[in-house]
Amino acid sequence: DVKVTQSSRYLVKRTGEKVFLECVQDMDHENMFWYRQDPGLGLRLIYFSYDVKMKEKGDIPEGYSVSREKKERFSLILESASTNQTSMYLCASSAPRTASNYGYTFGSGTRLTVV
Amino acid sequence: TQLLEQSPQFLSIQEGENLTVYCNSSSVFSSLQWYRQEPGEGPVLLVTVVTGGEVKKLKRLTFQFGDARKDSSLHITAAQPGDTGLYLCARYSSYKLIFGSGTRLLVRP
Repeated sequence: DVKVTQSSRYLVKRTGEKVFLECVQDMDHENMFWYRQDPGLGLRLIYFSYDVKMKEKGDIPEGYSVSREKKERFSLILESASTNQTSMYLCASSAPRTASNYGYTFGSGTRLTVV
Repeated sequence: TQLLEQSPQFLSIQEGENLTVYCNSSSVFSSLQWYRQEPGEGPVLLVTVVTGGEVKKLKRLTFQFGDARKDSSLHITAAQPGDTGLYLCARYSSYKLIFGSGTRLLVRP
């Protein structure tokens, strides 16, 4: 079975901490994405990447950064965690950008609480 | 960003009932995808519809793409508790998926 694996299901961090959320996919997909999901707001795109060492801002990049040093791994970094970053974080991957009808494969999510 | 509006937001029904949820936009899409997200998990792709008027069936789930490719519906026949979850529609915009806010379905035994 193809998989997107997120390193943690639940995390509790303190305000001001630097937080790393890791995501690994085993499908050799070029595209990887980070979303956050909040009640009433749906899934909002934070950052995405179409290739190694490449990144693009999504709709809500403020307070986040990303790293993609290897094709299979896409990391989301909260430089200085704040309580308004408490959320469910979802990583996804997909086939090449030209295949617009390909769906996303999501990880199980990381529920982050910042206290 | 072109919005996708889903309705209803919440639906609570008894096992065995039928239901339909909707996904609408003011603009035309080249394709539309439906995902289901179970509690505590990530969304899982159910289907992609591409052609206006297209109907796809997945067991008790029937997906329809509007003739004008601005709307889609998902019909579930004889709902079961295992159908409980958040149903999301999504469309591509500049090679990225944009999601609707979803319909949360609860099927009571």
